[in-house]
Amino acid sequence: SQKIEQNSEALNIQEGKTATLTCNYTNYSPAYLQWYRQDPGRGPVFLLLIRENEKEKRKERLKVTFDTTLKQSLFHITASQPADSATYLCAPPGGKSTFGDGTTLTVKP
Amino acid sequence: DAGVIQSPRHEVTEMGQEVTLRCKPISGHNSLFWYRQTMMRGLELLIYFNNNVPIDDSGMPEDRFSAKMPNASFSTLKIQPSEPRDSAVYFCAWGTYNEQFFGPGTRLTVL
Repeated sequence: SQKIEQNSEALNIQEGKTATLTCNYTNYSPAYLQWYRQDPGRGPVFLLLIRENEKEKRKERLKVTFDTTLKQSLFHITASQPADSATYLCAPPGGKSTFGDGTTLTVKP
Repeated sequence: DAGVIQSPRHEVTEMGQEVTLRCKPISGHNSLFWYRQTMMRGLELLIYFNNNVPIDDSGMPEDRFSAKMPNASFSTLKIQPSEPRDSAVYFCAWGTYNEQFFGPGTRLTVL
């Protein structure tokens, strides 16, 4: 069955470092992937969408890559800040199945 | 929260009772999505509507679950009868396939 997997449940890094989160997909070829941020007690908030023909997309300190050979998307936060601490979800095209389980990022000052 | 009102925000009920969750998105958008989030299963799509018509309800777990969207600015998700395993946070979201805007969610606890 089609599946989205995020490798790490938790990632702890020091402020100022780059956080890298991984999303792998199996048994299908999504036309695009989305990344969302979720804070405790809140709904997910859309961050970025990357299409299969886009190798990389940037938005401020965020960068997303899409490697169709590896069937993987990487989500980077550069110059991380404690305010970046949250759970980050990888999502398939809307209307399709289930989001990834998420990676909880903690940025320590 | 992204122009979506969900009510109630918290619901505690007993097994066997009917539960109705409500969603009021900003009107004028074609699609509305209902999701359920639990620790065990993550964020699952239950159903989505396009132009107020249910397009795919394959994520609805059982016949106990039903959803309606009588107009572009209102939708309900009903569980009848409710069971303890239905306990979760239920989100509705509006937008497009490319970008969704989630409400704050309803935390449902079925005792």
